[in-house]
This record gives sequence, structure tokens and C-alpha cells, in this order.
Amino acid sequence: RKEVEQDPGPFNVPEGATVAFNCTYSNSASQSFFWYRQDCRKEPKLLMSVYSSGNEDGRFTAQLNRASQYISLLIRDSKLSDSATYLCVVNPSYGGATNKLIFGTGTLLAVQP
Amino acid sequence: DTAVSQTPKYLVTQMGNDKSIKCEQNLGHDTMYWYKQDSKKFLKIMFSYNNKELIINETVPNRFSPKSPDKAHLNLHINSLELGDSAVYFCASSQGTGGTNSPLHFGNGTRLTVT
Repeated sequence: RKEVEQDPGPFNVPEGATVAFNCTYSNSASQSFFWYRQDCRKEPKLLMSVYSSGNEDGRFTAQLNRASQYISLLIRDSKLSDSATYLCVVNPSYGGATNKLIFGTGTLLAVQP
Repeated sequence: DTAVSQTPKYLVTQMGNDKSIKCEQNLGHDTMYWYKQDSKKFLKIMFSYNNKELIINETVPNRFSPKSPDKAHLNLHINSLELGDSAVYFCASSQGTGGTNSPLHFGNGTRLTVT
């Protein structure tokens, strides 16, 4: 089992749609979770951290389910500019290794006009 | 006023050559990293330095040698380049070494092509 798994997509959605991505992680001791966004041929950029109680930033909502070891990202009212690859990122924090962030392979979102 | 800058942006070279990629961050962060993103877009950590000290060294061929002259710089030297080294190499930095408050800030990448 991969340490971090995501559906690669692509997710093709119309503007204004609501879309959700899920991500599962294998190490139950993982402590920190993030969603990054990567545009084509660009560097990854932090979209949002994921907190245990769930958190929201505008149209974006992140949830963490520790019991089932999955993280989700919900995007409401999709915009054309949301088209990108969304990377699920986990810090397993095991064996003394610090900030060894593990990246999923990403989910490609294409928002259509 | 770029936060994390790496050079060069593109690097095309022949097998067997030696090349270096430079990275600098002006965020005052303590920790810097090298990540490799292969053709399948999989982003994998190679090295991490905290205050010039190596703290993460993944299973990377010893042809790859990182050097951190100070905490704001982390360079990557690659000896005897191979075709399989072709990838995008990202430098990154973070404040601290772990936790939700230590997200990574990436440079814009160096696209290495070995012919």
C-alpha cells in the first residue's frame, strides 16, 4: 500500500460545480496534513493545512478522518482558475525523521466553461 | 523579492557530465530540502538540511551530493549524470522541522534533461 494514495483523475467539472477529492494515508501515527496545488509546469504551492476539527478557507473545505485515515478537500462553486493538480501531503513523523512530507501523486482537476 | 529561488531553470546536458543546481531562500527559514519530481509527476524527497546539518537523506545514489554553506543556501551537485536523472528538481524551505505550522515553500524548479 502506498503511503499516500489519491485518485489521479482527471476530474472534469463545469464551472460552478462542487467537487470533492479524497486521499488515504497508511501511517496511523501521521501528525500533519496539507493540501497543495500544482499548476502545469509550476511549483507546488500550499493551498491549506488540514486540522483535526476540519477547516474552511473561502470556497475550500478540508476534513480529516483519523479513524479511517483519510483526508478530503471540497471545492464549491468551481472556477476556471481552480484547474490544477491537487496534492495530498502527509507528515508521517515516524522514527525521528522530521518534516519528511510524503506527497500523493495528485488529482487533476479540469474546470470547463 | 523571490522567496525561494533556484538556478538554472532549465538544464540540458549529456550523460556522464557533472552539474550543479543552486538554491537560495530569503524567508529566514531554518530547514531546506531537495525534492525530485519524475515524469509521472511523483514528488519525492531527496535531502533535508536544518541549520546546515543534514537531517534527511533518502535512498539517493551517492552521485548526488547536497551542500549547505549556510542556512539560506542549499546546492545540489550531481556527478556522472544518467538518463534516469532527467526530472524536475525542486528546492524548498520551511520554518522549523515539523508540524502543521511548517509547510514547505518551493522554488520554481529546475528541469533537468540528460541526453
